[in-house]
Amino acid sequence: NAGVMQNPRHLVRRRGQEARLRCSPMKGHSHVYWYRQLPEEGLKFMVYLQKENIIDESGMPKERFSAEFPKEGPSILRIQQVVRGDSAAYFCASSIGYDYGYTFGSGTRLTVV
Amino acid sequence: KNEVEQSPQNLTAQEGEFITINCSYSVGISALHWLQQHPGGGIVSLFMLSSGKKKHGRLIATINIQEKHSSLHITASHPRDSAVYICAVRRASKETSGSRLTFGEGTQLTVNP
Repeated sequence: NAGVMQNPRHLVRRRGQEARLRCSPMKGHSHVYWYRQLPEEGLKFMVYLQKENIIDESGMPKERFSAEFPKEGPSILRIQQVVRGDSAAYFCASSIGYDYGYTFGSGTRLTVV
Repeated sequence: KNEVEQSPQNLTAQEGEFITINCSYSVGISALHWLQQHPGGGIVSLFMLSSGKKKHGRLIATINIQEKHSSLHITASHPRDSAVYICAVRRASKETSGSRLTFGEGTQLTVNP
């Protein structure tokens, strides 16, 4: 059991490019959460997904950000037309269900230059 | 005021000392998590608590639901315990907002040899 796998670990994008962050949850986990950690700040919720459904996206910026968790394959967090302020560490966590603990991935550190 | 407050923000200790990190929260919760984050690294879930006390090795976590307070204790601290320790709560609701975590700002612990 490889745990929650996030890739890439580090991603550098120029302003205006697209960033795609991937998260493969633990085997058997159907709940995925994305969190963002801005430099010198705490973790903030972005979006909660179950297979093929977005359950709660109240933490996602209204523009440029989207997330999906298809029936097959990893969850994807997509940031279009990145800006310097998107530079952060993005963490994915998965869970088997509501009343269970979370397992976090190692994060993707996005740098926008 | 943040929903989750941690103290202290920074803590420096000598190897072998007993360490306590505190977490207070202002909302009804269904669970509280203690997490560990090493510099540049991922996040490790240490404990999930809904009542009482849990122990794992040299780590002990307690929670008092009535007082909305939790503590993380480290006995016989070691330099490898140096990390950021983060308290996070899950609200007491199975509505969509109840599924995500709200985080404290973290406590930076440094244990000197």
